[in-house]
Amino acid sequence: DIQMTQSPSVLSASVGDRVTLNCKASQNINKYLNWYQQKLGEAPKLLIYNTNNLQTGIPSRFSGSGSGTDFTLTISSLQPEDFATYFCFQHNSWPNTFGAGTKLELK
Amino acid sequence: EMQLVESGGGLVQPNGSLKLSCAASGFTFNTYDMSWVRQSPGKGLGLVAGISIKSYNYATFYADSVKGRFTISRDDSQSMVYLQMNNMKTEDTALYYCTAAEAFWGQGVMVTVSS
Repeated sequence: DIQMTQSPSVLSASVGDRVTLNCKASQNINKYLNWYQQKLGEAPKLLIYNTNNLQTGIPSRFSGSGSGTDFTLTISSLQPEDFATYFCFQHNSWPNTFGAGTKLELK
Repeated sequence: EMQLVESGGGLVQPNGSLKLSCAASGFTFNTYDMSWVRQSPGKGLGLVAGISIKSYNYATFYADSVKGRFTISRDDSQSMVYLQMNNMKTEDTALYYCTAAEAFWGQGVMVTVSS
């Protein structure tokens, strides 16, 4: 199975900060990497699909990049509603797998 | 508006069975692969099972941990997807989400396996 490693596991930041979350795959997953945001008590929400495609309705402060095994999610200017947990997900090969998540918390 | 509504969760004893249902609306159901993803309390996400669309012969995929015990199915005429869970174990306790191609998610249904 492809292992997805997210770093850091916890990130402390302030409103207005630019932050970068990392996701590393144990083998090449081409471009097939999604990013999700999950708030407490809610279902995950798709933010970015296939590395760098912004899902409809997601603010443009979110962006994704990478290829192969190394991927990043960048939030250009943190808003209060962005404090949540973020998961990456590879769908290049079954079993599709999620990372363990990065919790973005208020500094 | 796209909507996925899960039902059928609850408390079941070890080795028991449960069937989850997911009702879809607001999109062309038969054009989406469907899946079930679970999240254990305070833990991360794990894909449990997936089923493809008709043109891929409704191919199914299972996590190793549920293979032989769980069965995913779909009814395109009713826009429904199901997860039949047999021989359940305590480690199957989780919140189960129905998803459309892991892009759209329901709110989840809780399954607890305990004696």
